[in-house]
Amino acid sequence: RKEVEQDPGPFNVPEGATVAFNCTYSNSASQSFFWYRQDCRKEPKLLMSVYSSGNEDGRFTAQLNRASQYISLLIRDSKLSDSATYLCVVTLPNGGTYKYIFGTGTRLKVLA
Amino acid sequence: EPEVTQTPSHQVTQMGQEVILRCVPISNHLYFYWYRQILGQKVEFLVSFYNNEISEKSEIFDDQFSVERPDGSNFTLKIRSTKLEDSAMYFCASSERMGDEQYFGPGTRLTVT
Repeated sequence: RKEVEQDPGPFNVPEGATVAFNCTYSNSASQSFFWYRQDCRKEPKLLMSVYSSGNEDGRFTAQLNRASQYISLLIRDSKLSDSATYLCVVTLPNGGTYKYIFGTGTRLKVLA
Repeated sequence: EPEVTQTPSHQVTQMGQEVILRCVPISNHLYFYWYRQILGQKVEFLVSFYNNEISEKSEIFDDQFSVERPDGSNFTLKIRSTKLEDSAMYFCASSERMGDEQYFGPGTRLTVT
C-alpha cells in the first residue's frame, strides 16, 4: 500500500460547484498534514495545514480523520482559478527528523 | 511576505557537465530541502539539511549530488556529472522547524542534453 494515496482525477466540475478530495495515509504514526496547490510547471504552494479539529479558510475546509487515516479538502463555490493539482503532504517522525511524504496529487478542472 | 528564491529559473547543460542550483531560503527558517519533479510525475524528496549538515537523503541523492550552505543565505545543490535523466524541475524549500509547513521556491528547470 502506498504511504500516501490520492485519486489522480481529473475532477471536472462546473463553476460554483462544491468538490471534495480525499487523501489516505498508511502509517498511523503520521504527525502533520498539509494541502498544497500546484499549477502546471510551478512550485507547490501551501494551501492549508490540516488540524485535528478541522479548519476552514474561506471557501476551503480541511478535515483530518485519524481513525480512518485520511484527510479531506472541500472546496465550495469553485472558481475557474481553482483549477490546479492538489497535493496532500504527510509528515512521519523518522529517527529525530521528519519525513515529508507527498501524494501524487488530484487534478481539478473547473469548467465555465 | 518572505519567500524562497531560486536561480537560475532555467538551466540547460550537456550530459556530463556539473551544475549548481542556487536557493535563498526564508531568512528565519532553519531547515532546508531539495526536491525534484520530473514532468508529469510526483514531487520527489532529495535531501534535507539542518545545522550545516544533511539530516536525511533519499536513494536518488547519490554520490553525484551534494548540498552546501556556503554563506548565511544561500543553499546550493550541485550535480557533479549530469545525466539525461536528471532533467527535471528542482525545487528548494524551507521550514522554520522540522515537521512544519514547507515553503517552496519557484524552481529551476534543468534540461540535460
